[in-house]
Amino acid sequence: AQTVTQSQPEMSVQEAETVTLSCTYDTSENNYYLFWYKQPPSRQMILVIRQEAYKQQNATENRFSVNFQKAAKSFSLKISDSQLGDTAMYFCAFTNSGAGSYQLTFGKGTKLSVIP
Amino acid sequence: GAGVSQSPSNKVTEKGKDVELRCDPISGHTALYWYRQSLGQGLEFLIYFQGNSAPDKSGLPSDRFSAERTGGSVSTLTIQRTQQEDSAVYLCASSATGVFGYTFGSGTRLTVV
Repeated sequence: AQTVTQSQPEMSVQEAETVTLSCTYDTSENNYYLFWYKQPPSRQMILVIRQEAYKQQNATENRFSVNFQKAAKSFSLKISDSQLGDTAMYFCAFTNSGAGSYQLTFGKGTKLSVIP
Repeated sequence: GAGVSQSPSNKVTEKGKDVELRCDPISGHTALYWYRQSLGQGLEFLIYFQGNSAPDKSGLPSDRFSAERTGGSVSTLTIQRTQQEDSAVYLCASSATGVFGYTFGSGTRLTVV
């Protein structure tokens, strides 16, 4: 069974600074996908960034980037130039590309607070 | 619709009562998922529907939980004889393009008293 671990229950960062959220996962699969989702108080899960395991290049989406270390099974999220609107719960998620249902396995989340 | 719609937004029920939670996916999305988010926990997969195929019920925690999807569109998650441990946010998601096309609703917060 796959597991996803987020070791930082809460983090804070000053506005305009950079913060890194950690995620590790455990799987015996070779092909899979990794995601970071953001959940604001509205409760709706919003996709921040995704990474295909077969791609060595780290994904980047504007201020968000990942550090994907396949051998270490690590998938951290870096948020640059933090903004007040980044305050939310962040969840790391995994799915096995061989699973037809693409059900997601989530970590327990990191609560990020951006301080003005 | 423009997004995934879930109703009710909040539900308070007495222990032992049955509840029904509704999910209206994005039109044309063939895949529909239910997840449960308990306090301080990540999301836990419950059930998956894909078109007219038999649903993947592997995540349902007990036989008190059931779900159906009518006409390949609206889905209802039913919890019978609710228990306090059923208190959670129940999130629905739909997708047209597999893993890259997930769109989540805003969930139903269920409180069992």
